[in-house]
Amino acid sequence: EPEVTQTPSHQVTQMGQEVILRCVPISNHLYFYWYRQILGQKVEFLVSFYNNEISEKSEIFDDQFSVERPDGSNFTLKIRSTKLEDSAMYFCASTLEDRVTEAFFGQGTRLTVV
Amino acid sequence: GENVEQHPSTLSVQEGDSAVIKCTYSDSASNYFPWYKQELGKGPQLIIDIRSNVGEKKDQRIAVTLNKTAKHFSLHITETQPEDSAVYFCAASMKTSYDKVIFGPGTSLSVIP
Repeated sequence: EPEVTQTPSHQVTQMGQEVILRCVPISNHLYFYWYRQILGQKVEFLVSFYNNEISEKSEIFDDQFSVERPDGSNFTLKIRSTKLEDSAMYFCASTLEDRVTEAFFGQGTRLTVV
Repeated sequence: GENVEQHPSTLSVQEGDSAVIKCTYSDSASNYFPWYKQELGKGPQLIIDIRSNVGEKKDQRIAVTLNKTAKHFSLHITETQPEDSAVYFCAASMKTSYDKVIFGPGTSLSVIP
């Protein structure tokens, strides 16, 4: 069964450092997303990406965040200067095409900022 | 924007009993309602979904109902088993040019053997 894979599973970083979270979406999917889940809270939308550009982003996704699909298979989320409050589980997801369909989620990357 | 509420936040049931989780949404334009199950240390996994042109959908022990007029939708799990224990998220999505899923706050379900 095709799946979304994320690396690393756990990332610990010092406040102020840059981190890159990596995702490999399902191969024939066209829409890509990042969500985050602060411990014990709901899953929150960060950004959606289509046709090599951001299509929508939430208020959480400020200038410290960026996304990229550098090589046609990986989809990355970069946080330029991490803050303590960036500590969360980050989930990548992908969907097939321009119709309402289910999003397949990766297993997540736990980011801990110390 | 869309806002999804979910109740209860925690639910404990005896094995074999039924569990019901209820959600409401705010944006009447939403037309796709997935339910996700999240087990400890894992990402949300889609378990069932319903579209706005359908009032009810069933898949084995899981059923979802949708009341578009009231903007309510519910998840029903019958004959619960310990492996059903997890956090369940309802969600809503609207067909625009690009999709995003708005999650409810989640329900922690515990099935007691």
